[in-house]
Amino acid sequence: AQTVTQSQPEMSVQEAETVTLSCTYDTSESDYYLFWYKQPPSRQMILVIRQEAYKQQNATENRFSVNFQKAAKSFSLKISDSQLGDAAMYFCAYRSAWEANSKLTFGKGITLSVRP
Amino acid sequence: DSGVTQTPKHLITATGQRVTLRCSPRSGDLSVYWYQQSLDQGLQFLIQYYNGEERAKGNILERFSAQQFPDLHSELNLSSLELGDSALYFCASSGSGENTEAFFGQGTRLTVV
Repeated sequence: AQTVTQSQPEMSVQEAETVTLSCTYDTSESDYYLFWYKQPPSRQMILVIRQEAYKQQNATENRFSVNFQKAAKSFSLKISDSQLGDAAMYFCAYRSAWEANSKLTFGKGITLSVRP
Repeated sequence: DSGVTQTPKHLITATGQRVTLRCSPRSGDLSVYWYQQSLDQGLQFLIQYYNGEERAKGNILERFSAQQFPDLHSELNLSSLELGDSALYFCASSGSGENTEAFFGQGTRLTVV
């Protein structure tokens, strides 16, 4: 079974600064997808970024980028130029590339606060 | 707006009761997933349906059941409710194929008193 670990329960960042959220995972599969989801106080789960395991290039979406280290099974999220609206809970998630096992396995999440 | 609709948004009920949570997936999505988010367990996968049939089962209690109807909407039935069932229940949907992402509804907040 796959597991996802987010060891930092909380982090804080100054507005306009950069912050990195850590995530590690364990799997015996070679092909899979990794995601970061944002959950603001509204509770909505919002997809921030996704990474295909077969791609060596790290995914980037505007101010959000990942550092994907497949051998180390590490998948961190970097938020640049942090904004007050980035304050939320962030979840790292794993999904098998096998279509019959497409459920998401989540880490416990990290609460990010942004200081003005 | 993700296109996934969950009703109701909030539900308060007593222990021992039964409730039904409803989910309408995005138009055209065949897969529906149910997740439970609680403070102590985090986000846990409960069950997946694909085009009307159960495809995968996670940590779903025997007191809980789900189904997906011909119009692809899904219902999650929770019975003999206990205080510990209080949680946020999410529905997500996705299309077919490997390269599809899951879109989440806004969740149903269930409080058992």
